Amino acid sequence: KAGVTQTPRYLIKTRGQQVTLSCSPISGHRSVSWYQQTPGQGLQFLFEYFSETQRNKGNFPGRFSGRQFSNSRSEMNVSTLELGDSALYLCASSGQGGISYGYTFGSGTRLTVV
Amino acid sequence: TQLLEQSPQFLSIQEGENLTVYCNSSSVFSSLQWYRQEPGEGPVLLVTVVTGGEVKKLKRLTFQFGDARKDSSLHITAAQTGDTGLYLCAGARRQQAGTALIFGKGTTLSVSS
Repeated sequence: KAGVTQTPRYLIKTRGQQVTLSCSPISGHRSVSWYQQTPGQGLQFLFEYFSETQRNKGNFPGRFSGRQFSNSRSEMNVSTLELGDSALYLCASSGQGGISYGYTFGSGTRLTVV
Repeated sequence: TQLLEQSPQFLSIQEGENLTVYCNSSSVFSSLQWYRQEPGEGPVLLVTVVTGGEVKKLKRLTFQFGDARKDSSLHITAAQTGDTGLYLCAGARRQQAGTALIFGKGTTLSVSS
């Protein structure tokens, strides 16, 4: 079956702009989580969505938001981009066993803010 | 303060050597997962351990979950160049809002021939 698909793979944006990233989970997976990965901080949890509802949220400013659609596809949005938002953004989905049993990650979107 | 400490941060070894990577915390986790990540890709789940004291083997890789469910180790026997990558441990913690997965910063392993 198809894995987790993230689009686009690469993005270059200018400071102050906004960006939307997309994630299609594995078919049948209803939980989608987003992480930011940087060399200094590692993987930092952004938020988790389950059945179109945000179920958990990390410690990121309100500029970071997300949503999930009825087909479980998810998007995350970052407004008023800052240089420090440059990172690999990873989406992960989990099945019936839940997060405790592991994620399947997408390949990520590499965002560069200039 | 990092909730999950991984050591060593970097490891450079020759093919055929053995190695152990550690993942330590003062917190108890309901499960602990190990992932491997290659450059430009997302992490790939290697194993999930759930029971304190549990040992799982995946070919040349041996994973152990501490008795108190606060720490874990990954041992690789006879490393190969294909083992090169970033190894991440992640602990699952139940919170009020649901289960959160907390990642360590990772161990970068380089195996040369």
